[in-house]
Amino acid sequence: DAMVIQNPRYQVTQFGKPVTLSCSQTLNHNVMYWYQQKSSQAPKLLFHYYDKDFNNEADTPDNFQSRRPNTSFCFLDIRSPGLGDAAMYLCATSSLTSGRVYNEQFFGPGTRLTVL
Amino acid sequence: GNSVTQMEGPVTLSEEAFLTINCTYTATGYPSLFWYVQYPGEGLQLLLKATKADDKGSNKGFEATYRKETTSFHLEKGSVQVSDSAVYFCALSVYSGTASKLTFGTGTRLQVTL
Repeated sequence: DAMVIQNPRYQVTQFGKPVTLSCSQTLNHNVMYWYQQKSSQAPKLLFHYYDKDFNNEADTPDNFQSRRPNTSFCFLDIRSPGLGDAAMYLCATSSLTSGRVYNEQFFGPGTRLTVL
Repeated sequence: GNSVTQMEGPVTLSEEAFLTINCTYTATGYPSLFWYVQYPGEGLQLLLKATKADDKGSNKGFEATYRKETTSFHLEKGSVQVSDSAVYFCALSVYSGTASKLTFGTGTRLQVTL
């Protein structure tokens, strides 16, 4: 089945120690998104890639970076995690086609990050 | 800016009760509207959608109608089951040129008991 896969499902890191979260997709979608969801809150968009073009949200801290080496994979790098970065990180994909306004987003299961 | 307001939870219902979760939105342009469901420990799943005024989205017994005049997209189900216990997010999507960005409400936790 076509899907969005996130690894690992649970990640523990230490305060200030860089961490990378991974997302892959078999949907061949050209847009990939990263969301941060803190406990009992709505998901918050951090950034997205349209093909290889990176689009950062204005309020995303510089501590968060992303890479998309190819269509299938996208990584979220947290350079120096703080306690406030503990959250569920959700990856999503969509297919943006010419002339379409609506494009459903397909979500992965998320990676829960703990910062000690 | 765009925003979504949904009723606060938790909502606790007995099995077979009628469910309504209210959702209103503010948006520039003509958004598409969605309900997503999140089961414990899992990611978001699209429950239903509506892309223009007066559209009704439906899935698994859930329904919601896109009401432009009241800027609302209330979620309803006639008879809930224990398996419907989850967090429900109302969201809108606006095309930005490089993506369809989702703006979520804060979520409503539904607990269904026997």
